[in-house]
Amino acid sequence: EVQLQESGPGLVKPSQSLSLTCSVTGYSITSNYWGWIRKFPGNKMEWMGYISYSGSTSYNPSLKSRISITRDTSKNQFFLQLNSVTTEDTATYYCARSDDGYYPHFDYWGQGVMVTVSS
Amino acid sequence: DVQMTQSPSYLAASPGESVSISCKASKSISTYLAWYQEKPGKANKLLIYSGSTLQSGTPSRFSGSGSGTDFTLTIRSLEPEDFTVYYCQHYNEYPPTFGSGTKLEIK
Repeated sequence: EVQLQESGPGLVKPSQSLSLTCSVTGYSITSNYWGWIRKFPGNKMEWMGYISYSGSTSYNPSLKSRISITRDTSKNQFFLQLNSVTTEDTATYYCARSDDGYYPHFDYWGQGVMVTVSS
Repeated sequence: DVQMTQSPSYLAASPGESVSISCKASKSISTYLAWYQEKPGKANKLLIYSGSTLQSGTPSRFSGSGSGTDFTLTIRSLEPEDFTVYYCQHYNEYPPTFGSGTKLEIK
């Protein structure tokens, strides 16, 4: 069974970087597409970006200057880094799998990790 | 970006009843629409993709319809476990965007 699990600090200070890990079991991240999605307080959801089976990436233009998604295939993990965070980045962050990079919908999700940006 | 307008935000119904949730796109998205179910403490579940195709494991009481800009998720004969939150998401172009969610509550 494919399982995804997010991990990382629950509190980040403004202007610092947010770093999260998604650990995948039951499936290799060298197949498919692996993305990050966040849900803000108030329930608005935003697709942030993905890393593909080959290591290529695609990001939401709204985040393009601040976001980086990388991976460690030996550990079957992929990572989110979001730089220069503000309180507006307070959200629950999810990692998810998609079969298709051109038409991404997400068939497996992690449970999410809540991140608060506050001094 | 394509805006997804989901309605209603809240919906109250009784077990055994049928309900429908609407999702409207700000431009045509063909049938590139997915529906998800969200439950506290659990991973989101993909229910339907391509507007009307049930994901493996989705009970047959769930159905999706629509194309272009107007889509509907229908749940027939509500079971107790269906009372939770539902989201739509388009994937016709980048970036994919989500509806604002519908909370289905027990009346």
